[in-house]
Amino acid sequence: DTAVSQTPKYLVTQMGNDKSIKCEQNLGHDTMYWYKQDSKKFLKIMFSYNNKELIINETVPNRFSPKSPDKAHLNLHINSLELGDSAVYFCASTTAGVGYTFGSGTRLTVV
Amino acid sequence: GEDVEQSLFLSVREGDSSVINCTYTDSSSTYLYWYKQEPGAGLQLLTYIFSNMDMKQDQRLTVLLNKKDKHLSLRIADTQTGDSAIYFCAEKMDSSYKLIFGSGTRLLVRP
Repeated sequence: DTAVSQTPKYLVTQMGNDKSIKCEQNLGHDTMYWYKQDSKKFLKIMFSYNNKELIINETVPNRFSPKSPDKAHLNLHINSLELGDSAVYFCASTTAGVGYTFGSGTRLTVV
Repeated sequence: GEDVEQSLFLSVREGDSSVINCTYTDSSSTYLYWYKQEPGAGLQLLTYIFSNMDMKQDQRLTVLLNKKDKHLSLRIADTQTGDSAIYFCAEKMDSSYKLIFGSGTRLLVRP
């Protein structure tokens, strides 16, 4: 009965590879997000989708491509991974911004 | 502008009260949040306050909002060792779906 679930929880991969992280929410929320938390714990928004429509696209390399097949899912695909992509990636969801629910995070390590 | 600031570190003795402070810059913020992150874990919503409120109390937690000074605080009464974590304040602006986070305050509770 997890509200916002992300897979995988841990991801270790080599530079240059392509990888995907998946997110699903069962809260009936209409807006979903990807946030990146760096090694200093700073959280920065990357993307947001509202009812499958991209509404926020921060300054993120175009190697990162979000995809929302329906309003309950938001996936993140990363091409040509770099060392600097190592971070914890959090998915979140909300409706009308009243309360944001976060997933438990995906720790990506690029070696 | 979008800027949320917090002090980086706070150390208290078990049983004392903790006060974590936050300042923000955008006067159009509608909701302000406090999240807790334990080591290796995701973000847990602790409480939030609507911008037309001055105070909100929830068990050991008291949130104070000074909208004139754009200052938000979280008071934890009778702090316990289990309260040791990073605490993030965050603001949601009226015109945006974005949730903007502060840098986090690391709370250490000494026995």
